[in-house]
Amino acid sequence: AQKVTQAQTEISVVEKEDVTLDCVYETRDTTYYLFWYKQPPSGELVFLIRRNSFDEQNEISGRYSWNFQKSTSSFNFTITASQVVDSAVYFCALSEVNQGGKLIFGQGTELSVKP
Amino acid sequence: GAGVSQTPSNKVTEKGKYVELRCDPISGHTALYWYRQSLGQGPEFLIYFQGTGAADDSGLPNDRFFAVRPEGSVSTLKIQRTERGDSAVYLCASSAKVFLDEQFFGPGTRLTVL
Repeated sequence: AQKVTQAQTEISVVEKEDVTLDCVYETRDTTYYLFWYKQPPSGELVFLIRRNSFDEQNEISGRYSWNFQKSTSSFNFTITASQVVDSAVYFCALSEVNQGGKLIFGQGTELSVKP
Repeated sequence: GAGVSQTPSNKVTEKGKYVELRCDPISGHTALYWYRQSLGQGPEFLIYFQGTGAADDSGLPNDRFFAVRPEGSVSTLKIQRTERGDSAVYLCASSAKVFLDEQFFGPGTRLTVL
C-alpha cells in the first residue's frame, strides 16, 4: 500500500539557518511521482515541485533544493538561508501511475522561521 | 487567469442537515479532485473526475457523500445527514491532465457541523 511519512511534526529555526524537511514514502509501483506542496497560514496549497521515479537527479530552485534517493525511498527538501516568509506547513505527496493521479499526502511538517 | 475557486468559504450547519460544496476548476482543466483536510493532518483523497465521470470514488467515507460534475467543469460535493465528524476543510484541485500533472488547489471550504 502507498504511504508517505513526514516524521518531523514541527521545526523551528532562526532566520538564515538552513533546514531540511524529511519525507519517506512507500509504494509497490515502479512508476510514480513525488511532490512537495507549501501551505502558508492563508491555507491555500501551493505546488513546489514534482519529480518522477526515474529521475533521481537532485533539483535546485533558488533557495530550495530537493534530494531524491530511491534506495532509501526518501525525497527530502532543504531550504537554504531560511526566511520568515518560509513559515508554513509543508506536505510531501505521492502519486502512482495506476492510481489515476490522486495524491497521497504525508502528515505535514510545520516550519516556523523566527527573525 | 483565475485559479480554482470554492464556495462557500465557510459553512456552519447542524447535525443531520444536508450541505453542498461547490468547486469551479481552472478553465480547460479536465481532471478535478476533492480532498478533505482535518486539523493538523494532510489532505485525504475523496474522489476524482476525468471529464464528467467519477473515475475513482474510493476515498468517499460512506454513502452520505456524493459528488457530481455534470458538464465536465463545475463540481458539487454533497453530504447528507451531516455528522460532527464531517467537520473539516474540503479542498478541490484541478489539473490539465489526469496523470501525474500538477494539481492546482482552491482555498477550501471550512465545514463545521454543530
